[in-house]
Amino acid sequence: GENVEQHPSTLSVQEGDSAVIKCTYSDSASNYFPWYKQELGKGPQLIIDIRSNVGEKKDQRIAVTLNKTAKHFSLHITETQPEDSAVYFCAASKGYSTLTFGKGTMLLVSP
Amino acid sequence: DSGVTQTPKHLITATGQRVTLRCSPRSGDLSVYWYQQSLDQGLQFLIQYYNGEERAKGNILERFSAQQFPDLHSELNLSSLELGDSALYFCASSRDRRSYNEQFFGPGTRLTVL
Repeated sequence: GENVEQHPSTLSVQEGDSAVIKCTYSDSASNYFPWYKQELGKGPQLIIDIRSNVGEKKDQRIAVTLNKTAKHFSLHITETQPEDSAVYFCAASKGYSTLTFGKGTMLLVSP
Repeated sequence: DSGVTQTPKHLITATGQRVTLRCSPRSGDLSVYWYQQSLDQGLQFLIQYYNGEERAKGNILERFSAQQFPDLHSELNLSSLELGDSALYFCASSRDRRSYNEQFFGPGTRLTVL
């Protein structure tokens, strides 16, 4: 089955800096890669996703890149703000099969 | 707000007991997924139902079972509870497009087994 590894497990940045979270996947047939943000006491919230026919996708301060050859994808957050502090999860799936999640990255943005 | 609702928000019970968690998917979503989240295990997929039928099974214990009703809401039943079952339980739903699986999560039920 699919295996998703996520790094780093924790990330501390200063407000205004950029943050990058990286994930690798094992199944070359996977074609959908969402990112979720989970704030304390809440459910994971889908913040951006990318499909395998696209190499990069941007939405305001967040972007996701995908390298199918290397089987890795990354989340980039620019101009970080304290409200970006949360746990971020990457995931991968093939078609409409179930998502396999990474173990999460705790991002702390200090004012 | 994702549109997925879960009840109850918190549940405290004793070992050996049985509980039922409830989930209502977003309007129009046919698939419901259940996940368990504990501190050291991340998000573990338990089971998926699509339009009333079981579609996929993950790391679900035999003491746990689920069903999806004709109105598409789903219930997760946990029996013979153990201390290690204490966790957050999330439900997610999706439209089940053929090309990708966009899931939306509910707020979760926090289960504490004493």
